[in-house]
Amino acid sequence: DAKTTQPTSMDCAEGRAANLPCNHSTISGNEYVYWYRQIHSQGPQYIIHGLKNNETNEMASLIITEDRKSSTLILPHATLRDTAVYYCIAGSSNTGKLIFGQGTTLQVKP
Amino acid sequence: GAGVSQSPSNKVTEKGKDVELRCDPISGHTALYWYRQSLGQGLEFLIYFQGNSAPDKSGLPSDRFSAERTGGSVSTLTIQRTQQEDSAVYLCASSLLAGAYNEQFFGPGTRLTVL
Repeated sequence: DAKTTQPTSMDCAEGRAANLPCNHSTISGNEYVYWYRQIHSQGPQYIIHGLKNNETNEMASLIITEDRKSSTLILPHATLRDTAVYYCIAGSSNTGKLIFGQGTTLQVKP
Repeated sequence: GAGVSQSPSNKVTEKGKDVELRCDPISGHTALYWYRQSLGQGLEFLIYFQGNSAPDKSGLPSDRFSAERTGGSVSTLTIQRTQQEDSAVYLCASSLLAGAYNEQFFGPGTRLTVL
């Protein structure tokens, strides 16, 4: 599985868009980009995933660069409840095994 | 519907004892995963089961760790002769199928403390 690199922490003002970057320069052609988040003392929660195209769901948008070497998770209107550790993962399409890195701690402030 | 459940929620044991942790996946999910999270650390993959295929044990840290999945449903993670470094939150997840495109649903975890 490709290694991912994320900033250790970020702040975002409540109501603003939170843009969380991720580098995955060694990603292979069959590896998806996933995002999960973990709110304090809870199990991780799936957010979104993508392969090549940009994706959007009710929680977030995922923008993947054309060369697939990086991506950005966008929370369009961050709320205090979005404060969490956000994990970007590049995973094999053959298994569901997720290799988590250290993630980005997002602090949404009033 | 019911999510992934795990029991016990907390387990305190003495060094050298064996422990069993249980996971009940979402009904109908064929893939089941175990991870652990040590204090201040990220999540570490341990093992995963997919249907009747041989499990992927590549993440198990030592031969003291083993897991079973009976009848394609409930799974038990067993740690023999526990050590203090085994203290962590053990998380179970399930997905409809194994594969990158399948969302994993996580349980609340079992917090294991080895004294």
